[in-house]
Amino acid sequence: GIQVEQSPPDLILQEGANSTLRCNFSDSVNNLQWFHQNPWGQLINLFYIPSGTKQNGRLSATTVATERYSLLYISSSQTTDSGVYFCAKTSGSRLTFGEGTQLTVNP
Amino acid sequence: SQTIHQWPATLVQPVGSPLSLECTVEGTSNPNLYWYRQAAGRGLQLLFYSVGIGQISSEVPQNLSASRPQDRQFILSSKKLLLSDSGFYLCAWSVAGPQYFGPGTRLLVL
Repeated sequence: GIQVEQSPPDLILQEGANSTLRCNFSDSVNNLQWFHQNPWGQLINLFYIPSGTKQNGRLSATTVATERYSLLYISSSQTTDSGVYFCAKTSGSRLTFGEGTQLTVNP
Repeated sequence: SQTIHQWPATLVQPVGSPLSLECTVEGTSNPNLYWYRQAAGRGLQLLFYSVGIGQISSEVPQNLSASRPQDRQFILSSKKLLLSDSGFYLCAWSVAGPQYFGPGTRLLVL
């Protein structure tokens, strides 16, 4: 079955808007990572977050491990935020990825 | 600081030809190393991982193999490429924490 499920699959925003991306995972995890894949394919680490909330500039993430979900918040979106956002759960030394959310921010 | 390199960046190969993709990590010792493939669409699939020299675990049986001849070098190989081997191959490293990814190699098999 699906171990990591992301929603929505696609999201289109106007510049300046806020958004929330969701990641559900089907079983317990050691940790959870959020990535941004830019148009050149580079996977950029955003957060490494087993539980609680972390913030980095306009981005923040919250993981509620007991309820098996994580949220990524993007505030005041910019066109450079466009790309695919992945969450991935860590079990042991393995990462299992979701299918990603394709974010398009229009000027 | 740690850096990870992959080459080549892009590769076009005929069906049936061999393959060798290389990944090297700098600035850390005894990392865990990983090969992922991202096919058409978005999902990344773990192909191989290694916790040390000569130690390789295969996640998905397929036409590919991996080797780790040195502590910070990880190689992905194939003896005969298939059309279905086309994709974006990413190497990653970790040391008791998050995984960090290289820039990737785009492989097109014709």
